[in-house]
Amino acid sequence: DGGITQSPKYLFRKEGQNVTLSCEQNLNHDAMYWYRQDPGQGLRLIYYSQIVNDFQKGDIAEGYSVSREKKESFPLTVTSAQKNPTAFYLCASSIGSVEAFFGQGTRLTVV
Amino acid sequence: AQKITQTQPGMFVQEKEAVTLDCTYDTSDQSYGLFWYKQPSSGEMIFLIYQGSYDEQNATEGRYSLNFQKARKSANLVISASQLGDSAMYFCAMRGTFSGGYNKLIFGAGTRLAVHP
Repeated sequence: DGGITQSPKYLFRKEGQNVTLSCEQNLNHDAMYWYRQDPGQGLRLIYYSQIVNDFQKGDIAEGYSVSREKKESFPLTVTSAQKNPTAFYLCASSIGSVEAFFGQGTRLTVV
Repeated sequence: AQKITQTQPGMFVQEKEAVTLDCTYDTSDQSYGLFWYKQPSSGEMIFLIYQGSYDEQNATEGRYSLNFQKARKSANLVISASQLGDSAMYFCAMRGTFSGGYNKLIFGAGTRLAVHP
């Protein structure tokens, strides 16, 4: 089945630690996105990528980094510079102007 | 600047009744797309319906229809015959051409719908 896989589902990070969230898609979509969702709020765009080896900052990119070495993969690293990383992270992909497909999300908690 | 506004933080509806969730948008693009997504408590985002800016007819998908009023820049979601399983967060989103010619999808703050038996 085609889809988007995010892992892990739950992630715990210690203060000052970098962590990487995985996002893989087998839909052959060109565009991929990372969103952050805080409790009771909407989605805010962190980074997006239209093609391999190219990505653009979204509205809240500070403290995050991404790479797009393969079409299928768009990992997100939450760095120690992100002061309040506890949130729900959603990865999405799309092709053309049709709807974006989302993964199941990763819930990140700072301990 | 492109923006999506959902003014209803929460809505209640009786089972089997219809409900309208409001969405207004702001864009200077001539070509854009409007989407509605449902987010149950489990967190996944489920695509419901899409409306293109050049589509003359309102989009419909089963019990979902999109009331598109281009001049008013509104794209309200209508759910007919509400079911208990419709209880969830609902997000309106817009795709347009943003800086550098890239497409982005931006979301509103969402509306929490509660369906009562």
